[in-house]
Amino acid sequence: GAGVSQSPSNKVTEKGKDVELRCDPISGHTALYWYRQSLGQGLEFLIYFQGNSAPDKSGLPSDRFSAERTGGSVSTLTIQRTQQEDSAVYLCASSLTGGVGTDTQYFGPGTRLTVL
Amino acid sequence: DQQVKQNSPSLSVQEGRISILNCDYTNSMFDYFLWYKKYPAEGPTFLISISSIKDKNEDGRFTVFLNKSAKHLSLHIVPSQPGDSAVYFCAASGFGGSNYKLTFGKGTLLTVNP
Repeated sequence: GAGVSQSPSNKVTEKGKDVELRCDPISGHTALYWYRQSLGQGLEFLIYFQGNSAPDKSGLPSDRFSAERTGGSVSTLTIQRTQQEDSAVYLCASSLTGGVGTDTQYFGPGTRLTVL
Repeated sequence: DQQVKQNSPSLSVQEGRISILNCDYTNSMFDYFLWYKKYPAEGPTFLISISSIKDKNEDGRFTVFLNKSAKHLSLHIVPSQPGDSAVYFCAASGFGGSNYKLTFGKGTLLTVNP
């Protein structure tokens, strides 16, 4: 079946503009995650969805970042008033139930965001 | 402060030999550890995992060893193949009950030379 897909694959924007990044998880996966990878760094957790609810938003770096998930499926990560430090690869993952152990997180290819 | 550390940014080995990738962690609350592999322009893919109740887990050419007292784990790939060339990320979870949240190291670029 289809894996996790993300769009766009690349996004170049000007400082101060808003951007929306989209994630389509694997069908039937109730858990969805957003991570980001800045240059030379590991993946950094941003937010976790269980269904349409986000019980853990602790990784969102500022109030300029928000995310939603609708219909227990597609998720959108929105960054308002982008700054150059927001430049990174934003990765989405989904998993069947949201626990670790046998509940593997499957990652999409990411969206490379460049803020000029 | 990095809770999961991969101190070797890169590793180069000859095809057929063993590759050993290392990972250290600082938080004793982590109780589940994973390795992901990442090719350029692709997302990370799950490779192998180990629970803290074990000290070894094997899957084909891949074996993960866990030394809890040293807070150290390693991934052994034997024999190494050119297709194994990728960035390998160590990840940990289980801290504070947030067992869905993976904490990643910075990755090690493995190059397997033919």
